Amino acid sequence: DAKTTQPTSMDCAEGRAANLPCNHSTISGNEYVYWYRQIHSQGPQYIIHGLKNNETNEMASLIITEDRKSSTLILPHATLRDTAVYYCIVRPRNNAGNMLTFGGGTRLMVKP
Amino acid sequence: DAGVIQSPRHEVTEMGQEVTLRCKPISGHNSLFWYRQTMMRGLELLIYFNNNVPIDDSGMPEDRFSAKMPNASFSTLKIQPSEPRDSAVYFCASSFGGLAVHNEQFFGPGTRLTVL
Repeated sequence: DAKTTQPTSMDCAEGRAANLPCNHSTISGNEYVYWYRQIHSQGPQYIIHGLKNNETNEMASLIITEDRKSSTLILPHATLRDTAVYYCIVRPRNNAGNMLTFGGGTRLMVKP
Repeated sequence: DAGVIQSPRHEVTEMGQEVTLRCKPISGHNSLFWYRQTMMRGLELLIYFNNNVPIDDSGMPEDRFSAKMPNASFSTLKIQPSEPRDSAVYFCASSFGGLAVHNEQFFGPGTRLTVL
């Protein structure tokens, strides 16, 4: 799987948009970008995934650059409950078994 | 749906003892994963089952670790004998779908294991 690089930590003001970057410069054409988050003392939670088009769901938006070498997860109106570690994961389309390889993630702190 | 259920939530044991962690996946899911999380190594996949069959156990650290899935609604992760370095949070996750299908994994609340 392609490796990802994320900032170790970020702060965001409550109510503002949180933009979490991820670099995956070695991504190949058959690899998807996934985002999960882990709130303290809980298991990870799926947020969103995409291949090359931008994606949006009720939780977040995913913006993937045209060359697919980086992406940004956007939480449009961050709340205190969004404080968590956010993991960007690159996974092959034909990943036998849906296996996920977690990196260090970005620790997002939403402040009042 | 109750989600993925893990038991116990906390386990404290002494070195050398056998530890058994349990997981009940979401009903209808056919893939089950065991992960371990520590401060030093982060979140690591230990083993993955599909339709009750172990598919990839390359993440299992050593022979002291074993995992079984006797049926679609139950799995165990056993450590025998346990060592202090096994102290970690162990997560179970499940998902629906076959190979090469993109489906999200649903994680349980984890079991916090402390080996003294």
